[in-house]
Amino acid sequence: GQQVMQIPQYQHVQEGEDFTTYCNSSTTLSNIQWYKQRPGGHPVFLIQLVKSGEVKKQKRLTFQFGEAKKNSSLHITATQTTDVGTYFCAGPVNNNDMRFGAGTRLTVKP
Amino acid sequence: DAGITQSPRHKVTETGTPVTLRCHQTENHRYMYWYRQDPGHGLRLIHYSYGVKDTDKGEVSDGYSVSRSKTEDFLLTLESATSSQTSVYFCAISETRTAQYFGPGTRLLVL
Repeated sequence: GQQVMQIPQYQHVQEGEDFTTYCNSSTTLSNIQWYKQRPGGHPVFLIQLVKSGEVKKQKRLTFQFGEAKKNSSLHITATQTTDVGTYFCAGPVNNNDMRFGAGTRLTVKP
Repeated sequence: DAGITQSPRHKVTETGTPVTLRCHQTENHRYMYWYRQDPGHGLRLIHYSYGVKDTDKGEVSDGYSVSRSKTEDFLLTLESATSSQTSVYFCAISETRTAQYFGPGTRLLVL
């Protein structure tokens, strides 16, 4: 079936280092969304990308949507301890059925 | 945070018993979703609703049913709970099938 895959599963960085998580879909996506979940919390919507090749920035976070609309990435520049959490990508595989990646769990050592 | 509440927040039950989880929203959003979250699987869609009395199955719907009799309420029922349904259950709402806003979650333990 249609899947959304995400790597790496875990990433441990020193504070100040950069971080990237990658998302790949087996099919073309109409859009891709990114969420962050803090430990013990619920997922929180970060951003949606719609256009082929789209790049969006939110402060130290840069989101990209691939030209073929089958892959995406989230890059964090100079991580901080507040960036700790699990980052999920998600894409619609039909009109309403959202598929989430398994997530990348980020830990940051001060 | 969007106005979403889930009840109960924690529940322990026994195998074979029925369980109903409630999601309530005050945002008047059209779309509502039930997910389960398990280690290594991320979030998996169980059922979703695109309007009152309009529901459809998600990726992992077996053993679950849903009902939506009012815009603000979306109920998830485990008709006969099994240990494999031990999980954290999240409800989410969406206005336009784009950004989803999640509730605080329900931790369910089936013994």
